[in-house]
Amino acid sequence: AQSVTQLGSHVSVSEGALVLLRCNYSSSVPPYLFWYVQYPNQGLQLLLKYTTGATLVKGINGFEAEFKKSETSFHLTKPSAHMSDAAEYFCAVSYSGNTPLVFGKGTRLSVIA
Amino acid sequence: DADVTQTPRNRITKTGKRIMLECSQTKGHDRMYWYRQDPGLGLRLIYYSFDVKDINKGEISDGYSVSRQAQAKFSLSLESAIPNQTALYFCATAAGGAYEQYFGPGTRLTVT
Repeated sequence: AQSVTQLGSHVSVSEGALVLLRCNYSSSVPPYLFWYVQYPNQGLQLLLKYTTGATLVKGINGFEAEFKKSETSFHLTKPSAHMSDAAEYFCAVSYSGNTPLVFGKGTRLSVIA
Repeated sequence: DADVTQTPRNRITKTGKRIMLECSQTKGHDRMYWYRQDPGLGLRLIYYSFDVKDINKGEISDGYSVSRQAQAKFSLSLESAIPNQTALYFCATAAGGAYEQYFGPGTRLTVT
């Protein structure tokens, strides 16, 4: 069965510091990988996605993620955190266009001034 | 206007009551989904539908039912609400064959 593990339910960084949110998936076939962001009292917004091609994927708001098949990982990074990045982040996986996304449990990012 | 809308946005109801949550979309997508979000558990799939005549159970369908009234409308019902159904409920849509899903703003349901 598909599964996604997000390491750390809560990550706290200082403003201007590197953001690193970890995501690992279980799979024996190529996955399609996503990061979503949820701001307080809002729905989920697609941040970036990997389907095929270049393994380094750039998304909105300066975020990027790298698909590493050998490590079954898709970690999300941003070089410099901003206060507005405080939100909950979800990693998700699918293995075909006919299966719903499977989500990780989420990581709440706090940014300290 | 929002592409995916959910009504109501907030609802408080009592144990044993029947309640319906509604989702409408203007994206023209074939596929619609219902998830619930609980703190520390992420999003869990309740039901999904790939077209008007297709309904599929998700991970946690017990206690819930759905109706796909039209391509653009997908409703979630709790026939007899119980307190552990207190959660944030999200509707999502996707185009056929695509992978990414687009989410509504959510309905916060409290069962007392």
